[in-house]
Amino acid sequence: ETGVTQSPTHLIKTRGQQVTLRCSSQSGHNTVSWYQQALGQGPQFIFQYYREEENGRGNFPPRFSGLQFPNYSSELNVNALELDDSALYLCASSLGLAARGTQYFGPGTRLTVL
Amino acid sequence: KNEVEQSPQNLTAQEGEFITINCSYSVGISALHWLQQHPGGGIVSLFMLSSGKKKHGRLIATINIQEKHSSLHITASHPRDSAVYICAVRESGGSNYKLTFGKGTLLTVNP
Repeated sequence: ETGVTQSPTHLIKTRGQQVTLRCSSQSGHNTVSWYQQALGQGPQFIFQYYREEENGRGNFPPRFSGLQFPNYSSELNVNALELDDSALYLCASSLGLAARGTQYFGPGTRLTVL
Repeated sequence: KNEVEQSPQNLTAQEGEFITINCSYSVGISALHWLQQHPGGGIVSLFMLSSGKKKHGRLIATINIQEKHSSLHITASHPRDSAVYICAVRESGGSNYKLTFGKGTLLTVNP
């Protein structure tokens, strides 16, 4: 059974640029959630995808967008990067909508915006 | 005010001590999670609770739904327990697709 993987591990961008982060779900999981974790804070929910459709969204602007593919892997895209977007981005996969079960987290992508 | 509050924010203990981390929340929930995050970012799920108590090795998690409070206990603490412990809740009702997290408790266990 393959765990949740994310790429890249680290990324440095400048303000105004665009970035794409990738997440591969744990085998058999059809739901992916994305979180942003600023330094010293708990993760904040960005959005969730279930079977290729966005299933819920947190308080993030439209320049944060995502995709889920037929194999349930997922991308997080951020346009017009701002300094405050610097954070650890985590994805978590689970089985089923509303995920009453456990979420399995990836190792995260650390994004630095200069 | 955060929907999920943890205390203490930082905790330093000597090896062998009994540790308690507390979590209070203000919303109706369907489940509460305790998670462990090591330096570098990786998060591991420790417990998911909707009532009562769960135990895994030296870790014990309890929840009181009426009081909207949960505790994570570590018995016979060890330096390898040093990590950030995070409480997260899954709200009941329309927002049940997401987890809402506390800020975490940084635990340092000294040998």
